[in-house]
Amino acid sequence: GENVEQHPSTLSVQEGDSAVIKCTYSDSASNYFPWYKQELGKGPQLIIDIRSNVGEKKDQRIAVTLNKTAKHFSLHITETQPEDSAVYFCAASLTDSWGKLQFGAGTQVVVTP
Amino acid sequence: DAGVIQSPRHEVTEMGQEVTLRCKPISGHDYLFWYRQTMMRGLELLIYFNNNVPIDDSGMPEDRFSAKMPNASFSTLKIQPSEPRDSAVYFCASSLLGENTEAFFGQGTRLTVV
Repeated sequence: GENVEQHPSTLSVQEGDSAVIKCTYSDSASNYFPWYKQELGKGPQLIIDIRSNVGEKKDQRIAVTLNKTAKHFSLHITETQPEDSAVYFCAASLTDSWGKLQFGAGTQVVVTP
Repeated sequence: DAGVIQSPRHEVTEMGQEVTLRCKPISGHDYLFWYRQTMMRGLELLIYFNNNVPIDDSGMPEDRFSAKMPNASFSTLKIQPSEPRDSAVYFCASSLLGENTEAFFGQGTRLTVV
């Protein structure tokens, strides 16, 4: 089955700096890669996703890149703000059974003023 | 819509007792998922339904766990008997099948088995 590894496990950045989280996956057939943000006491919330026919996707301060050959994808947050502090999860699945999301272990991001 | 609604938010029970977690998906969504989150194992998919029918329950850890979806607006996850290692946050999520869909998660139920 799919195995997703996520690094780093914790990330501390100064407000205004960029944050990068990296994930690798094992199943070359995976073709859907969402990123979720989880705030304390809440459920995960989708912030951006990318499919295998796209190499990069951007939404304001958030961008995701995908390298299918190397089987890795990354989340980039620019101009970080205190409200970006949360746990971020990457995930991977097959779109024909996309409900079976395999999540990474998560990255605790702390943005310090 | 109020989103995915789970109840209770917190549950403390004694080992051996039956526990029932409840979920109301977003109206109109045809997929429902149950996840478990622990520090050791992260987020794990337990089971998911499509149009009220269980599609994949391979993530259900043991026969002590069971899930039902009697109608499109309600699902339960039951643990009988409960054990301390079942302590976790249980999330329910729902979605629509489609090209640009997403899974919407509830607030979760924090279960503590003592």
